Amino acid sequence: DGGITQSPKYLFRKEGQNVTLSCEQNLNHDAMYWYRQDPGQGLRLIYYSQIVNDFQKGDIAEGYSVSREKKESFPLTVTSAQKNPTAFYLCASSFGNQETQYFGPGTRLLVL
Amino acid sequence: DQQVKQNSPSLSVQEGRISILNCDYTNSMFDYFLWYKKYPAEGPTFLISISSIKDKNEDGRFTVFLNKSAKHLSLHIVPSQPGDSAVYFCAASETGGFKTIFGAGTRLFVKA
Repeated sequence: DGGITQSPKYLFRKEGQNVTLSCEQNLNHDAMYWYRQDPGQGLRLIYYSQIVNDFQKGDIAEGYSVSREKKESFPLTVTSAQKNPTAFYLCASSFGNQETQYFGPGTRLLVL
Repeated sequence: DQQVKQNSPSLSVQEGRISILNCDYTNSMFDYFLWYKKYPAEGPTFLISISSIKDKNEDGRFTVFLNKSAKHLSLHIVPSQPGDSAVYFCAASETGGFKTIFGAGTRLFVKA
Protein backbone atom coordinates (compact mmCIF):
# COMPACT_ATOMS: atom_id res chain seq x y z
CA ASP A 1 0.00 0.00 0.00
CA GLY A 2 1.97 2.99 -1.30
CA GLY A 3 1.90 6.34 0.36
CA ILE A 4 3.64 9.03 2.30
CA THR A 5 3.73 9.05 6.08
CA GLN A 6 4.63 11.68 8.62
CA SER A 7 5.28 11.27 12.30
CA PRO A 8 4.45 12.26 14.88
CA LYS A 9 0.99 13.71 14.35
CA TYR A 10 1.57 16.22 17.17
CA LEU A 11 4.90 17.43 18.47
CA PHE A 12 5.73 19.72 21.36
CA ARG A 13 8.87 21.74 21.47
CA LYS A 14 10.43 23.47 24.44
CA GLU A 15 12.24 26.77 24.08
CA GLY A 16 15.76 26.31 22.71
CA GLN A 17 15.14 22.73 21.66
CA ASN A 18 15.68 21.19 18.23
CA VAL A 19 13.00 18.79 17.03
CA THR A 20 12.91 16.51 13.98
CA LEU A 21 9.84 15.71 11.92
CA SER A 22 9.84 12.45 10.01
CA CYS A 23 8.69 11.97 6.42
CA GLU A 24 8.80 8.63 4.60
CA GLN A 25 7.47 7.64 1.18
CA ASN A 26 7.31 4.33 -0.65
CA LEU A 27 6.04 5.74 -3.93
CA ASN A 28 9.49 5.62 -5.54
CA HIS A 29 9.34 9.39 -6.00
CA ASP A 30 12.55 11.27 -6.70
CA ALA A 31 11.41 14.64 -5.38
CA MET A 32 10.37 15.50 -1.84
CA TYR A 33 9.20 18.74 -0.27
CA TRP A 34 8.50 20.35 3.09
CA TYR A 35 5.80 23.00 3.47
CA ARG A 36 4.58 25.04 6.36
CA GLN A 37 0.94 26.08 6.72
CA ASP A 38 -0.17 28.92 8.99
CA PRO A 39 -3.78 30.00 9.51
CA GLY A 40 -5.09 32.02 6.57
CA GLN A 41 -2.00 31.39 4.50
CA GLY A 42 -1.13 29.05 1.70
CA LEU A 43 1.51 26.39 1.80
CA ARG A 44 4.96 27.93 1.98
CA LEU A 45 7.93 25.93 0.78
CA ILE A 46 10.67 25.33 3.35
CA TYR A 47 13.02 22.94 1.53
CA TYR A 48 12.87 20.61 -1.44
CA SER A 49 15.00 17.78 -2.74
CA GLN A 50 15.11 16.61 -6.35
CA ILE A 51 17.36 13.61 -5.78
CA VAL A 52 19.16 11.79 -2.99
CA ASN A 53 21.96 13.76 -1.32
CA ASP A 54 20.76 17.02 -2.81
CA PHE A 55 18.36 19.61 -1.46
CA GLN A 56 17.54 23.28 -2.01
CA LYS A 57 16.20 26.05 0.17
CA GLY A 58 12.65 27.13 -0.41
CA ASP A 59 11.09 30.47 0.47
CA ILE A 60 11.29 30.20 4.28
CA ALA A 61 14.30 27.98 5.04
CA GLU A 62 15.72 30.03 7.91
CA GLY A 63 15.68 28.09 11.18
CA TYR A 64 15.19 24.74 9.44
CA SER A 65 17.50 22.01 8.19
CA VAL A 66 16.98 18.81 6.17
CA SER A 67 18.83 15.76 4.95
CA ARG A 68 18.21 13.35 2.08
CA GLU A 69 20.37 10.31 2.67
CA LYS A 70 17.80 7.89 1.30
CA LYS A 71 15.29 8.21 -1.51
CA GLU A 72 12.46 7.27 0.84
CA SER A 73 13.22 9.67 3.66
CA PHE A 74 13.37 13.47 4.02
CA PRO A 75 13.45 14.48 7.70
CA LEU A 76 13.02 18.13 8.70
CA THR A 77 14.70 19.58 11.79
CA VAL A 78 13.20 22.67 13.34
CA THR A 79 16.09 24.34 15.12
CA SER A 80 16.08 26.73 18.06
CA ALA A 81 16.83 29.49 15.54
CA GLN A 82 13.26 29.23 14.25
CA LYS A 83 11.56 31.80 16.46
CA ASN A 84 7.99 31.07 15.45
CA PRO A 85 7.80 27.32 14.87
CA THR A 86 4.16 26.76 15.77
CA ALA A 87 2.50 25.62 12.54
CA PHE A 88 1.19 22.66 10.56
CA TYR A 89 4.01 20.99 8.63
CA LEU A 90 3.33 19.07 5.45
CA CYS A 91 5.65 16.78 3.57
CA ALA A 92 5.05 15.91 -0.08
CA SER A 93 6.66 13.89 -2.84
CA SER A 94 6.43 13.67 -6.62
CA PHE A 95 8.12 12.00 -9.56
CA GLY A 96 9.57 15.33 -10.62
CA ASN A 97 8.92 18.89 -11.61
CA GLN A 98 5.34 19.69 -12.60
CA GLU A 99 4.21 16.30 -11.48
CA THR A 100 1.38 15.94 -9.01
CA GLN A 101 2.56 16.16 -5.43
CA TYR A 102 1.30 13.62 -2.92
CA PHE A 103 1.04 14.90 0.62
CA GLY A 104 1.44 13.24 3.97
CA PRO A 105 -1.11 13.75 6.79
CA GLY A 106 0.95 16.52 8.41
CA THR A 107 2.55 17.19 11.78
CA ARG A 108 1.30 19.93 14.07
CA LEU A 109 4.16 21.49 16.02
CA LEU A 110 3.40 23.38 19.21
CA VAL A 111 5.75 25.30 21.47
CA LEU A 112 5.51 24.79 25.23
CA ASP B 1 4.56 39.12 -3.22
CA GLN B 2 1.79 36.57 -3.71
CA GLN B 3 2.10 35.06 -7.16
CA VAL B 4 -1.04 32.97 -6.71
CA LYS B 5 -4.04 34.63 -5.10
CA GLN B 6 -7.33 33.23 -3.91
CA ASN B 7 -9.19 36.34 -2.87
CA SER B 8 -12.20 34.62 -1.32
CA PRO B 9 -11.31 33.06 2.05
CA SER B 10 -14.64 31.24 2.17
CA LEU B 11 -17.65 30.33 0.07
CA SER B 12 -21.02 28.91 1.11
CA VAL B 13 -23.19 27.01 -1.38
CA GLN B 14 -26.41 25.04 -1.19
CA GLU B 15 -26.23 21.32 -1.91
CA GLY B 16 -26.97 20.61 -5.57
CA ARG B 17 -25.92 24.05 -6.76
CA ILE B 18 -22.72 25.05 -8.53
CA SER B 19 -19.61 26.04 -6.56
CA ILE B 20 -17.18 28.36 -8.31
CA LEU B 21 -13.77 28.88 -6.77
CA ASN B 22 -11.50 31.50 -8.28
CA CYS B 23 -7.76 31.94 -8.52
CA ASP B 24 -5.57 34.67 -10.02
CA TYR B 25 -1.87 34.54 -10.78
CA THR B 26 0.71 37.15 -11.66
CA ASN B 27 3.59 35.18 -13.17
CA SER B 28 3.08 34.81 -16.91
CA MET B 29 5.67 32.00 -16.96
CA PHE B 30 3.31 29.66 -15.09
CA ASP B 31 2.15 26.98 -17.49
CA TYR B 32 0.71 24.28 -15.27
CA PHE B 33 -2.06 24.72 -12.74
CA LEU B 34 -3.53 22.41 -10.13
CA TRP B 35 -6.30 22.32 -7.58
CA TYR B 36 -5.90 20.49 -4.30
CA LYS B 37 -8.55 19.71 -1.71
CA LYS B 38 -7.79 19.61 2.00
CA TYR B 39 -9.79 18.36 4.97
CA PRO B 40 -8.89 19.55 8.51
CA ALA B 41 -5.81 17.91 10.03
CA GLU B 42 -5.04 16.07 6.78
CA GLY B 43 -2.67 16.68 3.90
CA PRO B 44 -4.01 18.14 0.63
CA THR B 45 -5.05 15.71 -2.07
CA PHE B 46 -4.79 16.36 -5.79
CA LEU B 47 -8.09 17.15 -7.47
CA ILE B 48 -7.57 18.31 -11.04
CA SER B 49 -4.99 20.06 -13.19
CA ILE B 50 -4.71 21.99 -16.43
CA SER B 51 -1.88 22.81 -18.78
CA SER B 52 -1.62 26.25 -20.34
CA ILE B 53 -2.21 24.77 -23.81
CA LYS B 54 -5.79 24.08 -22.77
CA ASP B 55 -8.56 26.35 -21.53
CA LYS B 56 -10.74 23.68 -19.95
CA ASN B 57 -10.32 20.33 -18.26
CA GLU B 58 -13.15 18.23 -16.91
CA ASP B 59 -13.21 15.29 -14.51
CA GLY B 60 -16.64 14.19 -13.38
CA ARG B 61 -18.25 16.93 -11.31
CA PHE B 62 -15.09 19.04 -11.41
CA THR B 63 -14.11 21.39 -14.24
CA VAL B 64 -11.20 23.79 -14.30
CA PHE B 65 -11.23 26.77 -16.65
CA LEU B 66 -8.11 28.73 -17.58
CA ASN B 67 -8.13 32.28 -18.99
CA LYS B 68 -4.50 33.02 -19.81
CA SER B 69 -5.06 36.57 -20.96
CA ALA B 70 -6.68 37.42 -17.63
CA LYS B 71 -4.27 35.20 -15.68
CA HIS B 72 -7.28 33.64 -14.03
CA LEU B 73 -8.50 30.14 -13.40
CA SER B 74 -11.58 28.79 -11.75
CA LEU B 75 -12.82 25.48 -10.41
CA HIS B 76 -16.45 24.57 -10.94
CA ILE B 77 -18.11 21.84 -8.89
CA VAL B 78 -21.48 20.70 -10.19
CA PRO B 79 -23.54 19.56 -8.38
CA SER B 80 -22.04 20.47 -5.02
CA GLN B 81 -22.29 17.87 -2.26
CA PRO B 82 -21.81 18.19 1.52
CA GLY B 83 -18.70 16.00 1.24
CA ASP B 84 -17.14 18.71 -0.92
CA SER B 85 -16.86 20.93 2.15
CA ALA B 86 -13.12 21.48 2.51
CA VAL B 87 -10.37 23.98 1.81
CA TYR B 88 -9.40 24.22 -1.85
CA PHE B 89 -5.91 25.34 -2.84
CA CYS B 90 -4.98 26.64 -6.25
CA ALA B 91 -1.35 26.01 -7.28
CA ALA B 92 0.86 26.92 -10.22
CA SER B 93 4.26 26.01 -11.60
CA GLU B 94 6.42 26.71 -14.63
CA THR B 95 8.37 24.42 -16.93
CA GLY B 96 11.98 24.24 -15.80
CA GLY B 97 11.19 25.52 -12.35
CA PHE B 98 10.93 23.22 -9.41
CA LYS B 99 8.62 25.08 -7.11
CA THR B 100 4.86 24.86 -7.01
CA ILE B 101 3.32 28.05 -5.67
CA PHE B 102 0.15 27.67 -3.63
CA GLY B 103 -2.61 30.16 -2.98
CA ALA B 104 -3.96 30.81 0.52
CA GLY B 105 -6.96 28.56 -0.03
CA THR B 106 -10.74 28.98 -0.10
CA ARG B 107 -12.89 27.22 2.46
CA LEU B 108 -16.01 25.80 0.82
CA PHE B 109 -19.11 25.06 2.87
CA VAL B 110 -21.81 23.02 1.15
CA LYS B 111 -25.06 23.19 3.07
CA ALA B 112 -27.46 20.26 3.00
